[in-house]
Amino acid sequence: KQEVTQIPAALSVPEGENLVLNCSFTDSAIYNLQWFRQDPGKGLTSLLLIQSSQREQTSGRLNASLDKSSGRSTLYIAASQPGDSATYLCAVMGSNYQLIWGAGTKLIIKP
Amino acid sequence: EAGVTQFPSHSVIEKGQTVTLRCDPISGHDNLYWYRRVMGKEIKFLLHFVKESKQDESGMPNNRFLAERTGGTYSTLKVQPAELEDSGVYFCASSPRVVTYEQYFGPGTRLTVT
Repeated sequence: KQEVTQIPAALSVPEGENLVLNCSFTDSAIYNLQWFRQDPGKGLTSLLLIQSSQREQTSGRLNASLDKSSGRSTLYIAASQPGDSATYLCAVMGSNYQLIWGAGTKLIIKP
Repeated sequence: EAGVTQFPSHSVIEKGQTVTLRCDPISGHDNLYWYRRVMGKEIKFLLHFVKESKQDESGMPNNRFLAERTGGTYSTLKVQPAELEDSGVYFCASSPRVVTYEQYFGPGTRLTVT
């Protein structure tokens, strides 16, 4: 049974710092991995999608990597800004096409 | 192009009542998913439609939940009768014909059962 873990559960850093969020999964048989952000009381915004054959994806200040063999993904945020404050979620798609979710990392960027 | 829309955004009902949530996927998307997040827990899969057919309903918690997708367009999720533990946020997502593509999420419906 696929399990997804995100570490840390919460993170607070000063504005301008580069940071890394971690996501690990137990079953390497995945189709893809998605990173989302959720603002308080809001919906889910897709940030990056990495197919199983890919190693990384980049969008602006965000870079996500995928190491399927070790069951790990990282989301790198460069030059963090207060507007980056949100909960970041990772989800993996397995053979049944369901997304299995981590509990999220709550990120606070201090001005 | 309009995104995934969900209605209502928030619903407050009493235990034992019935509630119907609606999801309109992105036009042309064959795949439609329902997920929910109950307080303090991870988001969990409920079910997956391909066009009007239920592809996978393994995540439906019990027979109080009924999902339909009329003509392969919008979908409804009915909870009857609602229980306190059904409170949470219900998300709908859609994806194109190739099922391993990105899933696009709606804003969610916050359901509160009192």
